[in-house]
Amino acid sequence: DVKVTQSSRYLVKRTGEKVFLECVQDMDHENMFWYRQDPGLGLRLIYFSYDVKMKEKGDIPEGYSVSREKKERFSLILESASTNQTSMYLCASSYPGYGYTFGSGTRLTVV
Amino acid sequence: AQSVTQLGSHVSVSEGALVLLRCNYSSSVPPYLFWYVQYPNQGLQLLLKYTSAATLVKGINGFEAEFKKSETSFHLTKPSAHMSDAAEYFCAAGDGGATNKLIFGTGTLLAVQP
Repeated sequence: DVKVTQSSRYLVKRTGEKVFLECVQDMDHENMFWYRQDPGLGLRLIYFSYDVKMKEKGDIPEGYSVSREKKERFSLILESASTNQTSMYLCASSYPGYGYTFGSGTRLTVV
Repeated sequence: AQSVTQLGSHVSVSEGALVLLRCNYSSSVPPYLFWYVQYPNQGLQLLLKYTSAATLVKGINGFEAEFKKSETSFHLTKPSAHMSDAAEYFCAAGDGGATNKLIFGTGTLLAVQP
C-alpha cells in the first residue's frame, strides 16, 4: 500500500515563526498536494506539485510556500506563522486520474 | 469552475437504518468522482470512486454510490448503518487530468445512534 507520512501529528508554534511541514510518499507518485481543513469549510487546496521542482498555487496560497526537491518529499512552509493559520494540514499524493492517498494530518496551533 | 455540494453538514441515523449522504457536482464534462471517509484525528481514506465505467460503484465497508448524470449527483448509501460508520464523509470531483486536482465538498458528519 502507498504510504504518505507527515512528520508531525501535532505542532504548536508562536506567531511569526517560520514553520516547516514535511510530507513523504513511498510510491513514486508524480502529484502531491497540500490542503488545509477547517470546520465547515471542508478541504481547501493550498499548493500542489506535479513533478520535482514544479509547483502551482491552489485556492488559498497566501502566507504559504512549498518545496519539492525530490519526488517523494513535498514540504509546506509557513513563512511567518499567524493565528489564522491554526488548522489541520493534510498532505496527499496520487497518480493522474486516480484517487488521492492522504497522510494522517498535522494539527497546527499558532499561539 | 467545478464545484461539489454536500447537502446536510450533519446527518444522524439509528443503527441498522439506511444511510444516505448527498453529493451534487457542477461540471461541464463527466468528472471523476470520489467519496472519502475521515475518522477523528486521522487523514482521509478512499471509500469508492467513479471513473465512467459502471454507474453503480461499490466501495469498502458496504458503501455504494450511484452516478446519475441527469441529476449531476453521486449520493452515497449503505443499507444498514453500524456504529463504526460514525465519521465525516467527503465527496470530491476531479477532471482526471494530468495534475489530478480534486475539489472537495464541505463534508457531512454522520452520527449513528444506538
